[in-house]
Parts: sequence; structure tokens; C-alpha cells
Amino acid sequence: GAGVSQSPSNKVTEKGKDVELRCDPISGHTALYWYRQSLGQGLEFLIYFQGNSAPDKSGLPSDRFSAERTGGSVSTLTIQRTQQEDSAVYLCASSPSRAIGQFFGPGTRLTVL
Amino acid sequence: KNEVEQSPQNLTAQEGEFITINCSYSVGISALHWLQQHPGGGIVSLFMLSSGKKKHGRLIATINIQEKHSSLHITASHPRDSAVYICAVNTGNQFYFGTGTSLTVIP
Repeated sequence: GAGVSQSPSNKVTEKGKDVELRCDPISGHTALYWYRQSLGQGLEFLIYFQGNSAPDKSGLPSDRFSAERTGGSVSTLTIQRTQQEDSAVYLCASSPSRAIGQFFGPGTRLTVL
Repeated sequence: KNEVEQSPQNLTAQEGEFITINCSYSVGISALHWLQQHPGGGIVSLFMLSSGKKKHGRLIATINIQEKHSSLHITASHPRDSAVYICAVNTGNQFYFGTGTSLTVIP
């Protein structure tokens, strides 16, 4: 595809369940970013990948959150034992390099009941 | 204290007006970004700056590194410019975001 894609577009889950969110960046983009935006709140940075490695994981809100990227392409954000406060839109972005602006995906809206 | 402060929070303008949105930050940065978020939620990256000034169409972004301040200007504003404009700074491995400026341009 031409842009960043994310799946699923919407996810409703029960408190305590694990969820996995997927991001397909633009082909050839080495940098990949995860953000979240809670309802009525601003954007919050979660994690950044350069290739397959994430130099700094301190933006992840808790140890229930993890992210990986394989093959320098697809990335997954996993939230274990979801809580209601995890409800948000999770956004992924990619860029050809850190020196160039980012292209954002449409987001995954996560609702934890 | 927020690392990034934007002003104003809300802005209403008449079509054709010149608009300025301001962003101040308190951390050392490698780059500053201006983002546009449409009512449907989609986000577009407008500018990435590390110094000076950039122009794209009717949009101009400037940054003063010494004063830790950036401005986004929209010339000849149009109703389709109505959106939330977000300032973000990259400190290396972290990003910090402003709370956004909600712009409404009235025909």
C-alpha cells in the first residue's frame, strides 16, 4: 500500500485480556514510531524503532506494554492484562530516516471494557 | 510543567486572515515538528525543523533555537485549514507534544 496501515482499526476487549496491535510502515522506511492519544487528551510518545531496535523503551507506560519489530518492517505493540485506562487510539508512524518528517497511520481505537 | 506549551488553545478566524500559532519548549531538542489533526482524527506531518524557516504553500514555520520557540503561520486562511495543530519536539529518543491549538476558520 501507499501509506502506513494499522490493524485492527477498532478493538474492543475485556479488562485483563491481552491485545496485539499491528503496524505496517511504508516500504523502505527505517524509522517507526508508536504513539497513543487518549480521549480528549494530547498525543503521547510510546516507543521508536530504528530498524529492528528500540534505543529507548522508557516511554512505554508500564511493563504490560511491549513492542517489537521484525525484518525492519512490521511492528506489533502488545498490551498484556489490559486495563480501562489503556483505552485510547494507538497511532503508528514511519519515516525514511529520523531527519525526515513522519507519515502517520489511521490508528487503532482500543476500548477496554 | 509541560515540556511543550502551545498558544492559543483555541482560535477562530475569518477566512482570509493571517494566523499565528506559537510553541515554546523547555528541553534540548534535535528537531521540532508541526502536525495537523483533522476532525476525523487523521494526522499529517506539516513540518520538521531544526533551524530557520520552512515554507510550504500557505504555511510557514519558523524556529528560534536560542529562545526555544517556534511559530506556525497560515496565510490567507481557508475553512479547510480548520483542524488541530500540534507542536512536538524530539529530544533524541523521546517526543513531547503540546496540547494542540484548535483552529476554526469561518467562511
